[in-house]
Amino acid sequence: GIQVEQSPPDLILQEGANSTLRCNFSDSVNNLQWFHQNPWGQLINLFYIPSGTKQNGRLSATTVATERYSLLYISSSQTTDSGVYFCAVTSGGSYIPTFGRGTSLIVHP
Amino acid sequence: EAEVAQSPRYKITEKSQAVAFWCDPISGHATLYWYRQILGQGPELLVQFQDESVVDDSQLPKDRFSAERLKGVDSTLKIQPAELGDSAMYLCASSLVPGTFNEQFFGPGTRLTVL
Repeated sequence: GIQVEQSPPDLILQEGANSTLRCNFSDSVNNLQWFHQNPWGQLINLFYIPSGTKQNGRLSATTVATERYSLLYISSSQTTDSGVYFCAVTSGGSYIPTFGRGTSLIVHP
Repeated sequence: EAEVAQSPRYKITEKSQAVAFWCDPISGHATLYWYRQILGQGPELLVQFQDESVVDDSQLPKDRFSAERLKGVDSTLKIQPAELGDSAMYLCASSLVPGTFNEQFFGPGTRLTVL
């Protein structure tokens, strides 16, 4: 099946810093979604972005499907951005989403 | 704002006991998913429903796990008997558009601890 690798695995920032999270996938994808899992375990939608670029406030995402990667940008990070960021994809004729192992982000005040 | 509801939020049980989790998706969402998330890993799909029918349960350990969505609305996931390795977060998600991996919305999850 498709492999999804996220980097970096861990990231520690000072409040106000910018960061880029990466999601690489081993095959062409039909769909891609970014999630934020807060410290209580809730998974929150960030972007549904099989291709192209989207922005929502301080967050933006870009997926370059032909090169098999997606990037999540966080600008002016806040302590509430702490948590784990996951990307999930589907590939081929499968509707089964495959998640990466996530990037754990800690933002210090 | 519509949300996916799950209960209980936390469950502690002893091995060999039966446990059940409940999920109520966002109203009108045809597709419902159950995931298991082991600490430090991403969620793994267990079963996917479209309305009341199972679309995929290839990752569901059928010797001990069962899932149903009898009226195509809320759903129950059961484990019998529970084993130590079942300790994990169980997440439910729903999406509006059936038949594809579309934008999913997750509930708060049930954290299961098996002693």
